[in-house]
Amino acid sequence: AQSVTQPDIHITVSEGASLELRCNYSYGATPYLFWYVQSPGQGLQLLLKYFSGDTLVQGIKGFEAEFKRSQSSFNLRKPSVHWSDAAEYFCAVAPSGTASKLTFGTGTRLQVTL
Amino acid sequence: GAGVSQTPSNKVTEKGKYVELRCDPISGHTALYWYRQSLGQGPEFLIYFQGTGAADDSGLPNDRFFAVRPEGSVSTLKIQRTERGDSAVYLCASSPTTGFGEQFFGPGTRLTVL
Repeated sequence: AQSVTQPDIHITVSEGASLELRCNYSYGATPYLFWYVQSPGQGLQLLLKYFSGDTLVQGIKGFEAEFKRSQSSFNLRKPSVHWSDAAEYFCAVAPSGTASKLTFGTGTRLQVTL
Repeated sequence: GAGVSQTPSNKVTEKGKYVELRCDPISGHTALYWYRQSLGQGPEFLIYFQGTGAADDSGLPNDRFFAVRPEGSVSTLKIQRTERGDSAVYLCASSPTTGFGEQFFGPGTRLTVL
C-alpha cells in the first residue's frame, strides 16, 4: 500500500527566511505527487503537482517542489516566506494513471514569526 | 461563489443517531470525492464517484457508512448508528474528471458525536 511521510509535525520560520518541507513516499512505481495547503476555516488548496517530466515543478504563491526518485522524496520549498504562508501543508500521492484516490501525509504546521 | 459547498458546516449528534452530510460540487464536475480528516491527521479517502456510480468505495470504514449521488451532481454521505470515533471533519472534493483533474475541496463538515 502506498504511504506518505511528513517527518516534521511543526516548523517555525522567520518571515523572509527560506522554507523546505519534507515529504517521502512509499509506492511501487512513480506516483502522482501533490502539495496542498490548508488554512484555518479554508478548504484544501492545491499548491502544485507532479505527474511526469521536469522534476522541478513550480506552483502558486511562489512555491516549488522537486521530485527525487532515488530518495522517494518530493520536498516543498519557498525562497522567502511571508506571514500569510502560515498554515498546514499536506503532501499527497495518487497511483500513476489516475489522480482519483489521494493518500495524504499527516501534515506539517508552519508558523511564521515576524 | 462557484466552489464546492458542504452542509451543514457543523453537526453535533448523539451516539447511535443517523446523520446525513451534503456536498454540492462545482457545476459540471463529473468526479466527486469524500475524505475524512481526524484531528491531527491528513485527509483519509473514503469514496469517489464518477457520474452517478461509486467508482471506488474502498475507503469506507464499515457498512454504517454509505454515500449516494443519484443525479450525478449533489452527493450525500450517510452514517448510521454513529459512534464517538466517527467524530471528524468530512471533506468533499470535485474535479472535472478523474485522471489528471485537480480536486477542488470544500470547507468540510465538522461532525461531533457525543
